Amino acid sequence: QVQLVQSGSELEKPGASVKVSCKASGYTFTNYVINWVRQAPGQGLEWMGWINTNTGNPTNARGFTGRFVFSLDTSVTTAYLQITSLKAEDTAVYYCARAPKWLPTPYWHFDLWGRGTLVTVSS
Amino acid sequence: QSVLTQPPSVSAAPGQQVTISCSGSDSNIGNDNYVSWYQQLPGTAPKLLIYDNNKRPSEIPDRFSGSKSGTSATLGITGLQTGDEADYYCGTWDNSLSARVFGGGTKVTVL
Repeated sequence: QVQLVQSGSELEKPGASVKVSCKASGYTFTNYVINWVRQAPGQGLEWMGWINTNTGNPTNARGFTGRFVFSLDTSVTTAYLQITSLKAEDTAVYYCARAPKWLPTPYWHFDLWGRGTLVTVSS
Repeated sequence: QSVLTQPPSVSAAPGQQVTISCSGSDSNIGNDNYVSWYQQLPGTAPKLLIYDNNKRPSEIPDRFSGSKSGTSATLGITGLQTGDEADYYCGTWDNSLSARVFGGGTKVTVL
């Protein structure tokens, strides 16, 4: 079954770190890049960036540099999003979504999404 | 403030049709970048509805259609059903920002 399975909800204190996983199955992992999208409570979708599943090279969107780290473990076809020095405003659902690697970025579409991981930051 | 502008909400009776606009600029929709549309049912992840401006994944019914002209794109839904109540987002690439951008989302209500 073609799917992206994300890790479960997390409750963290301000200043802590969290690592969200996104495990791909049912397709050739390296044929698609993995994007990360944030959705704050009651808000819209915000693109955070992507990671090349062949090279492991991450690209962070503006506003998601520094504390937001994308990584891979290709041996288990899993992508990760780590957020450090958590702040209350990081409270959101984080989605991973794949896009076809063979297309230039202006032609991307996100055809498969994970179910999302709720990260709550609260003291 | 989203780079792509969508109406906050649209509504219609069952069986009727709605259109959702997505207004951009020369650096995104108007730059020949492809537009895609996503449906987000309450409490679920977004789902791809339209890609490459007007193409549907095989599992999406032909009640859903997409079009693009100049710096705007439009999603159409015909034969509206209660199951279509959801938030709908447009997305594309912005060359000036070098970023994927989304509209603010449109809530569809079936009266």
